[in-house]
Amino acid sequence: QQQVKQSPQSLIVQKGGISIINCAYENTAFDYFPWYQQFPGKGPALLIAIRPDVSEKKEGRFTISFNKSAKQFSLHIMDSQPGDSATYFCAASWASNTDKLIFGTGTRLQVFP
Amino acid sequence: KAGVTQTPRYLIKTRGQQVTLSCSPISGHRSVSWYQQTPGQGLQFLFEYFSETQRNKGNFPGRFSGRQFSNSRSEMNVSTLELGDSALYLCASSPNPSTDTQYFGPGTRLTVL
Repeated sequence: QQQVKQSPQSLIVQKGGISIINCAYENTAFDYFPWYQQFPGKGPALLIAIRPDVSEKKEGRFTISFNKSAKQFSLHIMDSQPGDSATYFCAASWASNTDKLIFGTGTRLQVFP
Repeated sequence: KAGVTQTPRYLIKTRGQQVTLSCSPISGHRSVSWYQQTPGQGLQFLFEYFSETQRNKGNFPGRFSGRQFSNSRSEMNVSTLELGDSALYLCASSPNPSTDTQYFGPGTRLTVL
């Protein structure tokens, strides 16, 4: 009930292309959905987050799409750049405690020039 | 503001030993969470502290323990180390448990031989 499933495990995209990473959750009590970006040797860094009262949130080249009825959310990276090459994690938690994050398994994104 | 700092950054121990890891949160942050990151299990929540009290604990054996001090600094301890405890241990801080954004430190890489 607390799982967050993430796909794909790895993704290769050409520079300028769109990268799409998908996540699905089971626990309907989750109401905070962040995405984290992690570079080798670094801790995860918050990229963008959404709550279920909106279906989409955009920040620069990064967009979260949220489908509450399907219990799915996705990250879209527009105009992907080599500097975006990193591992991306989706996560979920509860509004009452956003410090207990349940993470997806991660997607390793490689953007080639 | 300085980010989350973790010490030491790297640690090598042998089976059966114990280890203490330290985390200094961002100034003004009172909530600290710990996560274990391994290639096989991904990012898993260990525990969370707020105002020196443990609020949540993940599904880890009692060998894993932690505490938080009055200045919000936190330590985690692992006793009777096992090979499977080799991992990157990440600390994250936030102003309080309901403020959405957790900021992660660079982690402590623990290797158990």
